[in-house]
Amino acid sequence: AQKITQTQPGMFVQEKEAVTLDCTYDTSDPSYGLFWYKQPSSGEMIFLIYQGSYDQQNATEGRYSLNFQKARKSANLVISASQLGDSAMYFCAMREGFGTASKLTFGTGTRLQVTL
Amino acid sequence: EAQVTQNPRYLITVTGKKLTVTCSQNMNHEYMSWYRQDPGLGLRQIYYSMNVEVTDKGDVPEGYKVSRKEKRNFPLILESPSPNQTSLYFCASSPLGSSGGDEQYFGPGTRLTVT
Repeated sequence: AQKITQTQPGMFVQEKEAVTLDCTYDTSDPSYGLFWYKQPSSGEMIFLIYQGSYDQQNATEGRYSLNFQKARKSANLVISASQLGDSAMYFCAMREGFGTASKLTFGTGTRLQVTL
Repeated sequence: EAQVTQNPRYLITVTGKKLTVTCSQNMNHEYMSWYRQDPGLGLRQIYYSMNVEVTDKGDVPEGYKVSRKEKRNFPLILESPSPNQTSLYFCASSPLGSSGGDEQYFGPGTRLTVT
């Protein structure tokens, strides 16, 4: 079974609108972290936001927020007030276990296109 | 400036010609890792290292070697590259944190084409 599933290969959103990028995950480890990365066309990986499995509140970083629904095993990224510069590929990733730096397991990504 | 550097950034080579992609970080991180990115597959881990002289296989290690002789460096070696190793490669590093929330810092990527 896929550990990280991103079901939207591509999304369009109008400038200034909000958009939600979906991510579901599968793990039996009670300790895990969820990450979102942005990859613009230039190729680099940019860290956006992190949510720990024991965090009580949803993570927020500026225009980015993570809608964490633990029982449903979902960790959707919400981008508010989209900008043209938000056009990029977005990856959801999970790290299982705390205490050591274990690997990140990535989803297949969602390509977001922001239009005028 | 805290960073992960990779060289070369772009490489076109021929089947069977040994190559090395270098990776270096200046953040004194214990953990380093190599990923490959292919369309529709996301990023997949090739090898990782928890510290000097400690390396282990990731999900797709076949055809690759690594070494960790110094904490800052983690080169990726393709002894006999094949066309199916044409990909975008990322090196990443992070500290061995206790909370799990330490982000992985990624290098700029190396685009490799094997003909």
